[in-house]
Amino acid sequence: GNSVTQMEGPVTLSEEAFLTINCTYTATGYPSLFWYVQYPGEGLQLLLKATKADDKGSNKGFEATYRKETTSFHLEKGSVQVSDSAVYFCALKGRGGSEKLVFGKGTKLTVNP
Amino acid sequence: GAGVSQSPSNKVTEKGKDVELRCDPISGHTALYWYRQSLGQGLEFLIYFQGNSAPDKSGLPSDRFSAERTGGSVSTLTIQRTQQEDSAVYLCASSPRTEREAFFGQGTRLTVV
Repeated sequence: GNSVTQMEGPVTLSEEAFLTINCTYTATGYPSLFWYVQYPGEGLQLLLKATKADDKGSNKGFEATYRKETTSFHLEKGSVQVSDSAVYFCALKGRGGSEKLVFGKGTKLTVNP
Repeated sequence: GAGVSQSPSNKVTEKGKDVELRCDPISGHTALYWYRQSLGQGLEFLIYFQGNSAPDKSGLPSDRFSAERTGGSVSTLTIQRTQQEDSAVYLCASSPRTEREAFFGQGTRLTVV
């Protein structure tokens, strides 16, 4: 079945550092890919998405590119802020057949001032 | 417009009691998901409904757990004979049957004492 493998944390960075959180997937066909974020004490919300190969999703300075050749969707941000401290989840949604939403285990990011 | 609504937001129950958790998805969304998130843990898939298809129940942890979705809309997750290990936040999400993302409710925090 479909699966997502995500870099495990926790990740601790200083403000303005560069962030990469790795995410790779296994899926039949061409899934849609997502990054969700969960800020402390809050619910899960969509951060960005990409629905086909080579698409780049971006939001709030975060970016991720759908790489079919490497089955990856790594999350990057050039300069993190304290307010980016949260748990980040990579996810995929299959097409045709089962469109179940499958999540990675999550990566906790802490950004120190 | 209205988002995904879950009730109650908090539930404290005694071990051995049955509980029902409710989810009102976004109108028109054909897919509905239930996940469980234990303290500091990732998202554990429980069950997935898609339109009139048979639900994917592969994530239900035991036969004490069941869920139904009436009229393709509201869903109820029932836990019978609750145990302390059932304590967690139960999250519901809905999405259109496209490559669109899923939208999450705020969750029900279940505490079994």
